[in-house]
Amino acid sequence: RKEVEQDPGPFNVPEGATVAFNCTYSNSASQSFFWYRQDCRKEPKLLMSVYSSGNEDGRFTAQLNRASQYISLLIRDSKLSDSATYLCVVENDYQLIWGAGTKLIIKP
Amino acid sequence: GAVVSQHPSRVICKSGTSVKIECRSLDFQATTMFWYRQFPKQSLMLMATSNEGSKATYEQGVEKDKFLINHASLTLSTLTVTSAHPEDSSFYICSARGTAGNTIYFGEGSWLTVV
Repeated sequence: RKEVEQDPGPFNVPEGATVAFNCTYSNSASQSFFWYRQDCRKEPKLLMSVYSSGNEDGRFTAQLNRASQYISLLIRDSKLSDSATYLCVVENDYQLIWGAGTKLIIKP
Repeated sequence: GAVVSQHPSRVICKSGTSVKIECRSLDFQATTMFWYRQFPKQSLMLMATSNEGSKATYEQGVEKDKFLINHASLTLSTLTVTSAHPEDSSFYICSARGTAGNTIYFGEGSWLTVV
């Protein structure tokens, strides 16, 4: 079993729709959780950290479920510019473990 | 904000030659730098972790004699791919953690093509 698992997609979603991604992790002792966005042929960029209480940043909402060991990312009112690969990242003892990413394609 | 500069952004080299990639933290001191490799449609794979002034810690399966990492100062780490082969062609990305906090900053990445 991979340490961090994501559905690779692609998710083809019409503009304006809501889309949700899930990510599961295997190490129950993981300390920190993040969502990164990676555009084609570019470096990953931090989208948001994920806190136990859940957090929201504009159209993006991230949640953590420690009991079930998964994190989620919700994107509301999706825009064409949201098309990218979304990477789930889990931190264990200062080491980042990366998911393979979920590709999102927003269609007009 | 903090910036990590990585270059070259693209490099093409001949099989058997060596190529060096630099990663610099521009406005903060990076005690730890990470080197990743990413093949098309795959996740980032950690190659090694380097701490300033000490030897890099390589991940299992990464040849330390082939991928030479030097972290001689708090603002510069280099990755040298020695005796490059076409299968080394990949996207190489560095990231750096500052002395304060847990934030990690990424370089822009380097596309290596070995012909």
